[in-house]
Amino acid sequence: DVKVTQSSRYLVKRTGEKVFLECVQDMDHENMFWYRQDPGLGLRLIYFSYDVKMKEKGDIPEGYSVSREKKERFSLILESASTNQTSMYLCASSLSYRQNTEAFFGQGTRLTVV
Amino acid sequence: DQQVKQNSPSLSVQEGRISILNCDYTNSMFDYFLWYKKYPAEGPTFLISISSIKDKNEDGRFTVFLNKSAKHLSLHIVPSQPGDSAVYFCAASDTNAGKSTFGDGTTLTVKP
Repeated sequence: DVKVTQSSRYLVKRTGEKVFLECVQDMDHENMFWYRQDPGLGLRLIYFSYDVKMKEKGDIPEGYSVSREKKERFSLILESASTNQTSMYLCASSLSYRQNTEAFFGQGTRLTVV
Repeated sequence: DQQVKQNSPSLSVQEGRISILNCDYTNSMFDYFLWYKKYPAEGPTFLISISSIKDKNEDGRFTVFLNKSAKHLSLHIVPSQPGDSAVYFCAASDTNAGKSTFGDGTTLTVKP
């Protein structure tokens, strides 16, 4: 059974804190993604990676960075959390670059910045 | 510039009837389209997909139709069941770009 696991279901952080969201997949997928989901705005891509140490900006990368040191792990970093980063964060993986296959999502992390 | 649009935020249908969810796109480079279903407090799960070389794909109660000239796709669920109540996201991919663009989602409610 394929699995994408996000380290936390719920997080509460203070404004200005550095926040790490971790994601691990066990499917040997090359592609990994970070999205945020907000009401009425759908899923917006923050960053994605198609190989270890490779990263590409998505549609809304400002205020975020990512790290992919190992194939199975993709981390999202909020350098200095702000209240407008309160959201549901979803990690996903898919087979490989330039192959049309579906993405598998984690269960999501509900982040609240106070 | 929103490249993938789901113009109906919500849809309500009676159990046993057909549900039709619609999606429009603007980028002619999109060549692969997917539908995902999302329950509250869970991540989206893949439902069905279609390549741009086809105009229809079926999987059980779910059928996706693609009209490339109109840049429109739709998801038909027949018959609808209460367990189908969820948010449905349309997504479109440009194979060369390696990523999908999602619509805003449509909340489907199937009434018993």
